[in-house]
Amino acid sequence: QQQVKQSPQSLIVQKGGISIINCAYENTAFDYFPWYQQFPGKGPALLIAIRPDVSEKKEGRFTISFNKSAKQFSLHIMDSQPGDSATYFCAASMNTGFQKLVFGTGTRLLVSP
Amino acid sequence: GAGVSQSPSNKVTEKGKDVELRCDPISGHTALYWYRQRLGQGLEFLIYFQGNSAPDKSGLPSDRFSAERTGESVSTLTIQRTQQEDSAVYLCASNDRVVKAIYFGEGSWLTVV
Repeated sequence: QQQVKQSPQSLIVQKGGISIINCAYENTAFDYFPWYQQFPGKGPALLIAIRPDVSEKKEGRFTISFNKSAKQFSLHIMDSQPGDSATYFCAASMNTGFQKLVFGTGTRLLVSP
Repeated sequence: GAGVSQSPSNKVTEKGKDVELRCDPISGHTALYWYRQRLGQGLEFLIYFQGNSAPDKSGLPSDRFSAERTGESVSTLTIQRTQQEDSAVYLCASNDRVVKAIYFGEGSWLTVV
């Protein structure tokens, strides 16, 4: 019940295309859903996050879509660029005093020029 | 400092030796986390510190792993009698109780030979 399932494992998108990464969770107590971007040799960096009281959050080319009833959320990268090539992790946590983030297994995105 | 600082950035050690990894969190952040990331894998929670509360050690994989933190400052993760399966990147992260976002360091790459 603590798992976050992420798909696909890898993704190749042409420059200018839309990259879509999906995550699903079971624990309805989760109420914070961040996405992290990780470049090789670097630590994960917070990209964008959403709470379940909204269905969508957009920051620049990055959008999170959230479906509370389906317990799913996704990351959309519009106009994907080669510089977006990285590994993306979704995560979830509960709004308790302790923020133990549970991470998905990651999606390796390659944006071809 | 401006970000989470970890040292050493790379460590190669012989099987059976002990290693210490250090994390200096963002100034003012009361919470500190250690995660492990094996090559090409997701992020595995190890341990969490929040202020002066008892740490959550539920993610430590064996009694060879231990961590300490003095107050709200530096933390040290110690791995005793290292094994080859301990080879991974050890990531430290911190946040405060108000801002849910967790910020990661660059990681300590451990190779056990």
